[in-house]
Amino acid sequence: DGGITQSPKYLFRKEGQNVTLSCEQNLNHDAMYWYRQDPGQGLRLIYYSQIVNDFQKGDIAEGYSVSREKKESFPLTVTSAQKNPTAFYLCASSERGPATQYFGPGTRLLVL
Amino acid sequence: AQSVTQLGSHVSVSEGALVLLRCNYSSSVPPYLFWYVQYPNQGLQLLLKYTSAATLVKGINGFEAEFKKSETSFHLTKPSAHMSDAAEYFCAINAGGTSYGKLTFGQGTILTVHP
Repeated sequence: DGGITQSPKYLFRKEGQNVTLSCEQNLNHDAMYWYRQDPGQGLRLIYYSQIVNDFQKGDIAEGYSVSREKKESFPLTVTSAQKNPTAFYLCASSERGPATQYFGPGTRLLVL
Repeated sequence: AQSVTQLGSHVSVSEGALVLLRCNYSSSVPPYLFWYVQYPNQGLQLLLKYTSAATLVKGINGFEAEFKKSETSFHLTKPSAHMSDAAEYFCAINAGGTSYGKLTFGQGTILTVHP
C-alpha cells in the first residue's frame, strides 16, 4: 500500500528538549511538507522540500529544523527554541509543482 | 500573495439538508483550488480539486464545488447531508509563481450534522 506514515502518534517533550518527528512516504513523490495545526488557525507551513538535499522555510520556521537526505524521508526536529510546541503536526507529500498534497495521519506533540 | 477565506468557522445542518461551505480566494494568477476534509485526530483527505478545466468539480462522497472567477469563490456543496459528513473542512489555494508547490489553507469550517 502506498502512503505516508508519521511516527509517533503522540510525543511528549520536556522543557529544553529537542524532539524529532518522523515522516516517511513510498509514493515516489519529489516534494514533502511539514504543517502545524492549532485549533481555529488552519494549517501553517513550517518547512518544505521540492527535492532531495534542498528545503525552504515556510511561514513559521523559527524553532524548527529539517533534513532531506533521502527522497522517502523528511524528519522534523522541534528544538528547545520553539517556546510553544504543543500542536498537531502534519506531514504531506506531492509530485513537484502545484499538485495535490497527500497527508499523513499526524503526530500530536504535548509538553510535560 | 495568495489567500483563502472560509466564511463561518462552524456550520450546523440537519441530516438530509443541503450542505454549503463557503470559500473565497485571492490570487493574482489563475489558481489551483482544493477542498480537504479532516476527521478528529486524523490527517487531511482530498475531497476535490480545481485545476482550470471544468468549473464544476465533482468529488468524493457526493460533494461538489463550483469555481466562479467573477466572485472569486469556490464554495463546497452537497445536496443531502449524512451524519458521516460531520468533520472539519479546509479550502486551500496554490497560485504558482513564487509560491510554486505551496498550499495556503483557510482556517477551516467545522460541520455538525444533527439527526
